[in-house]
Amino acid sequence: DIVLTQSPGTLSLSPGESATLSCRTSQRVDNYLAWYQQKPGQAPRLLIYDATNRAAGIPARFSGSGSGTDFTLSISGLEPEDFAVYFCQQRSVWPRTFGPGTKVDLK
Amino acid sequence: QVQLQQSGPGLVRPSETLSLTCIVSGGSISRYYWGWIRQSPGKGLEWIGSIYSSGSTHYNPSLASRVTMSVDLSQNLFSLRLRSLTAADTAVYFCAREGTNYFFDFWDQGTLVTVSS
Repeated sequence: DIVLTQSPGTLSLSPGESATLSCRTSQRVDNYLAWYQQKPGQAPRLLIYDATNRAAGIPARFSGSGSGTDFTLSISGLEPEDFAVYFCQQRSVWPRTFGPGTKVDLK
Repeated sequence: QVQLQQSGPGLVRPSETLSLTCIVSGGSISRYYWGWIRQSPGKGLEWIGSIYSSGSTHYNPSLASRVTMSVDLSQNLFSLRLRSLTAADTAVYFCAREGTNYFFDFWDQGTLVTVSS
């Protein structure tokens, strides 16, 4: 199985600041990586697919980059609703695997 | 807008079988993969498996011996059966669609399943 590692585990920031989240895969996944946002009591929401493409309705402050084994989710100018947990997921091979998540919380 | 509505028990006894159904509305179940994902309390996301509308399945190897998925095109729904439950299977279970890019783009709200006697 491809193992996904996310860092940092927790990111403490203030509204208006920018966030940089990392996801590393144990094998190359080309660009077949997605990012999800999850808030308490809710299902995950797809933010970014194929490493760099924003899903429908996702604000432009969310951007993804990377390919191969190293990927980044950037949030430029955190809004209050952005404080949540973010997961990465690969779909390059079966089984689908998720990273453990990065929590972005309020400093 | 595609919507998923899950149904199933919230409490299952150890050693029994969990059966969950996810009804798809607002779109056809055809020509997509449909997946089940679970999340133990306070933990991350674990992919259980995915089924294509043709019935072809892919399961998480760690659960494959206990999992069966099926699809019913006539009723636009897909189902999960997980056998021989233990307390470790206590989790919120989600059903979701793998969109045209094969990532999970539509989810239901999730169902907490507790395994307890």
